[in-house]
Amino acid sequence: GAVVSQHPSRVICKSGTSVKIECRSLDFQATTMFWYRQFPKQSLMLMATSNEGSKATYEQGVEKDKFLINHASLTLSTLTVTSAHPEDSSFYICSAPGPTSGELFFGEGSRLTVL
Amino acid sequence: DAKTTQPTSMDCAEGRAANLPCNHSTISGNEYVYWYRQIHSQGPQYIIHGLKNNETNEMASLIITEDRKSSTLILPHATLRDTAVYYCIVRVSGGNQGGKLIFGQGTELSVKP
Repeated sequence: GAVVSQHPSRVICKSGTSVKIECRSLDFQATTMFWYRQFPKQSLMLMATSNEGSKATYEQGVEKDKFLINHASLTLSTLTVTSAHPEDSSFYICSAPGPTSGELFFGEGSRLTVL
Repeated sequence: DAKTTQPTSMDCAEGRAANLPCNHSTISGNEYVYWYRQIHSQGPQYIIHGLKNNETNEMASLIITEDRKSSTLILPHATLRDTAVYYCIVRVSGGNQGGKLIFGQGTELSVKP
């Protein structure tokens, strides 16, 4: 199946710094990508829909100035957690619709720890 | 909000069939039933999806009731590596323009020796 890759898989940063997470579709193009966040022992929560060439669409309660999303090409979306705080520590996962059959393919996830 | 209801947890003996139920009584005519699973600390893995007919692939079978208000995912011969959280999700399909996936709490399946 199609492959979605995230980088970095793990990141530790100090409080107040910004962290960028990349999501790439490796062998297909994706005009839309989705970003999720998952806290321990909880389900995935959709944060935003990333749209190539236009602004991202954020879910209710997600701060767009806190979580900056850029989808500058058909194979790359980035999520930047700005001025990160310990409560932003979480597992961030991206996904993209496959090229033919419609199922979403997920990246491996990026675990952010803010000290 | 998620539009599906699943049991919180289930156990299954290794080598036996695992049958995971899902209720989706408010499913719309253009919504598909998708199943994903998530092994600890990994991204979700696609298993199978269907609209109204039963589906089978190398991983599992999906049985959808005639009124489409519920479905069952069947893992025919569960192994220890099938231990994971299984999510049943309804979603409008449509290739690259397909709708977003909204996850519920899922079923935590434990396959025991």
